[in-house]
Amino acid sequence: GIQVEQSPPDLILQEGANSTLRCNFSDSVNNLQWFHQNPWGQLINLFYIPSGTKQNGRLSATTVATERYSLLYISSSQTTDSGVYFCAVDTNAGKSTFGDGTTLTVKP
Amino acid sequence: KAGVTQTPRYLIKTRGQQVTLSCSPISGHRSVSWYQQTPGQGLQFLFEYFSETQRNKGNFPGRFSGRQFSNSRSEMNVSTLELGDSALYLCASSLTGIQPQHFGDGTRLSIL
Repeated sequence: GIQVEQSPPDLILQEGANSTLRCNFSDSVNNLQWFHQNPWGQLINLFYIPSGTKQNGRLSATTVATERYSLLYISSSQTTDSGVYFCAVDTNAGKSTFGDGTTLTVKP
Repeated sequence: KAGVTQTPRYLIKTRGQQVTLSCSPISGHRSVSWYQQTPGQGLQFLFEYFSETQRNKGNFPGRFSGRQFSNSRSEMNVSTLELGDSALYLCASSLTGIQPQHFGDGTRLSIL
């Protein structure tokens, strides 16, 4: 099956810093989503981005489908950004393969 | 618009028992997917239902089963529970399966 690799596995930032999270995938995909899982386990959909670039406030994402990677940018990080960021790709409708996630800790 | 609702939020069972988890999707969503999350294996796909039919299935034993009702609500059943079934079980819904998935808060299952 398809492989999804996320890097870095862990990231510690000072509040206000910027960061880039990467997601590589091993095969062509129909869809790609970025999620944030908060400390309570809730998975929040950040971006649905099979290709191109999207922005939402301090967050933006870019997917280059031909090169099989996606990037999530977080600018001016806040403590509430802490949690685990997952990349998930779909090869079949309704079936997502998740990466292992990047654990982000933002210190005040 | 109400989000995805999973019940119960927490569950404690003993080995050998069976359990049924419920998921109510966002109104109008017809695709419901189930995932298991554990510290060791991460987030793994269990199965997906669309219009009361299982359309996709992950690599889990037959003890894990599910169904979907005509109102799109879905249930997941695990029989003969094992210690390794302790996990956060997450349900996600989307319109037809190719749109963004929206997750419920999960059911945290503990096996004693």
